[in-house]
Amino acid sequence: AQKVTQAQTEISVVEKEDVTLDCVYETRDTTYYLFWYKQPPSGELVFLIRRNSFDEQNEISGRYSWNFQKSTSSFNFTITASQVVDSAVYFCALRNTGFQKLVFGTGTRLLVSP
Amino acid sequence: DTGVSQNPRHKITKRGQNVTFRCDPISEHNRLYWYRQTLGQGPEFLTYFQNEAQLEKSRLLSDRFSAERPKGSFSTLEIQRTEQGDSAMYLCASSSDRFDRWQYFGPGTRLTVT
Repeated sequence: AQKVTQAQTEISVVEKEDVTLDCVYETRDTTYYLFWYKQPPSGELVFLIRRNSFDEQNEISGRYSWNFQKSTSSFNFTITASQVVDSAVYFCALRNTGFQKLVFGTGTRLLVSP
Repeated sequence: DTGVSQNPRHKITKRGQNVTFRCDPISEHNRLYWYRQTLGQGPEFLTYFQNEAQLEKSRLLSDRFSAERPKGSFSTLEIQRTEQGDSAMYLCASSSDRFDRWQYFGPGTRLTVT
């Protein structure tokens, strides 16, 4: 069975604070992909990152960074120096290799206030 | 606009009526997906097409739901005899098996069943 858990329902921070969004996943497959998507108030899901299960290197893209740890089945997302425009719902998702279905978590709503 | 487009953006219908939604994927994408998202939840997979072939279907796709992609381009999702529980955002996504490995999402069709 595949499952993605985002335990943080909502996080509120003040602009310029760093914030980490947690994601824990479950899968019996040894090869899979993990994703993060952003859903701003407009509603359209925006792709942020894909990571395959073979690659545990952390990744940094501007103010965004991702920490993938297979040992704890976690794929956490950190926003450094948050901005008001980062306010959105963030979804972590899992896809087993050989299938196209994405399994999403319930999302974390991030509110960044000025 | 070269993104995924969906029509209509909003649909209000009475219980028992049939509704049909349309999705136009990114032009060079041969894979097309339908998801459903209810309030406060992550998207849930419904079905997937590669070209015109429907290759994966979720158990969520009851007998009242049918999806088609007759020419491997646009797709339609029809819900027959709508129920109040069908009220949700219906999301379409597309991807290419040659160039990209993530799904690009459209803006969604919000269905309200009264």
